[in-house]
Amino acid sequence: DQQVKQNSPSLSVQEGRISILNCDYTNSMFDYFLWYKKYPAEGPTFLISISSIKDKNEDGRFTVFLNKSAKHLSLHIVPSQPGDSAVYFCAARPNTGFQKLVFGTGTRLLVSP
Amino acid sequence: EAQVTQNPRYLITVTGKKLTVTCSQNMNHEYMSWYRQDPGLGLRQIYYSMNVEVTDKGDVPEGYKVSRKEKRNFPLILESPSPNQTSLYFCASRSVRGASTGELFFGEGSRLTVL
Repeated sequence: DQQVKQNSPSLSVQEGRISILNCDYTNSMFDYFLWYKKYPAEGPTFLISISSIKDKNEDGRFTVFLNKSAKHLSLHIVPSQPGDSAVYFCAARPNTGFQKLVFGTGTRLLVSP
Repeated sequence: EAQVTQNPRYLITVTGKKLTVTCSQNMNHEYMSWYRQDPGLGLRQIYYSMNVEVTDKGDVPEGYKVSRKEKRNFPLILESPSPNQTSLYFCASRSVRGASTGELFFGEGSRLTVL
């Protein structure tokens, strides 16, 4: 069973607009969430994270929102740039520790000029 | 330069022929892990290691072995590869000390095809 789900396999956005990537989870034992970005032929790289005690974390153009009651998080990219085109994975950490991060299925973002 | 290095990057092999994918990190990280990426399934954890001589199963360990004899190396062994192990494999590491952001450092990936 997929504990972390990204229901949109792909998303297309125009440069300068907002990109919103969504992630849903089922396990209420998750207490920390991360977003990774992956370019082709490269490994994923860490982007931004949020603890379950917060509902928002911001880093430059990237903001992650967490809605614990809905078991939903989202990544907002404003403004979107062509260099943001990549696959984005959300990941969740169980409160037992980081040993077993659970990743979502990924969303491919395409930002067109 | 801090990095996680995997080899080979690409490999085509045949069913049953043992192979090893090496992983080495130069960041003195205690924790290392292997993931496989498959379409529609995202990244799934195969095995992880909290330190030298300490390994444990992830979510999809069947058909794989690992060892952690040295801190920097964490090879993934496929004793008898099968076509369902055709996948993109990633090794990752992180420190367990200091701020626990959970940030994993990934290698560039190894694309394995089993015929």
